[in-house]
Amino acid sequence: NAGVTQTPKFQVLKTGQSMTLQCAQDMNHEYMSWYRQDPGMGLRLIHYSVGAGITDQGEVPNGYNVSRSTTEDFPLRLLSAAPSQTSVYFCASRRVHGYTFGSGTRLTVV
Amino acid sequence: GDSVTQMEGPVTLSEEAFLTINCTYTATGYPSLFWYVQYPGEGLQLLLKATKADDKGSNKGFEATYRKETTSFHLEKGSVQVSDSAVYFCALPNSATNKLIFGTGTLLAVQP
Repeated sequence: NAGVTQTPKFQVLKTGQSMTLQCAQDMNHEYMSWYRQDPGMGLRLIHYSVGAGITDQGEVPNGYNVSRSTTEDFPLRLLSAAPSQTSVYFCASRRVHGYTFGSGTRLTVV
Repeated sequence: GDSVTQMEGPVTLSEEAFLTINCTYTATGYPSLFWYVQYPGEGLQLLLKATKADDKGSNKGFEATYRKETTSFHLEKGSVQVSDSAVYFCALPNSATNKLIFGTGTLLAVQP
């Protein structure tokens, strides 16, 4: 199915653990981004990429790394998980007049 | 800088009631404006958009008119259904970076 695929859907981590949230799109979109969604905060941009090999920081990049080796994939890495990173994470790719979002990853850090 | 302000929720309505969710914005120039909807347990979906002043976006019975005089893009629906229960986000692209800026979201709960 065409769209943005995120895995896993749910994850529980212990403080200090690392993990990678996967994001893949099959629409050949150049622009991809990661957001986190927290109650009362809306969606905040973590990192984004305008094409393979190019990434940049968004509004809340600390504690997260990204890379973009292919057009299709844009993984988000948590280097050392903290309880403050408990959130729902959305990956999105952009077409001309709007974004396509994945279904999200609900992450809990204990 | 560019920003979006939405009315706080939750908004609770009975089925077939009229819905208005207010959205105002601050931006340089006249950016495109969007409404996204997030159903429970899902990601955001584009609901409607307007690309220039005085445009009206519409989809699934929802409408929003781009009003530059009041810098508003209020979402309306004449008769809501239980299936419309979701979180609604107003958004616009940042004028400098073109990255999407979201409002905080408004939870709509429609009761039968």
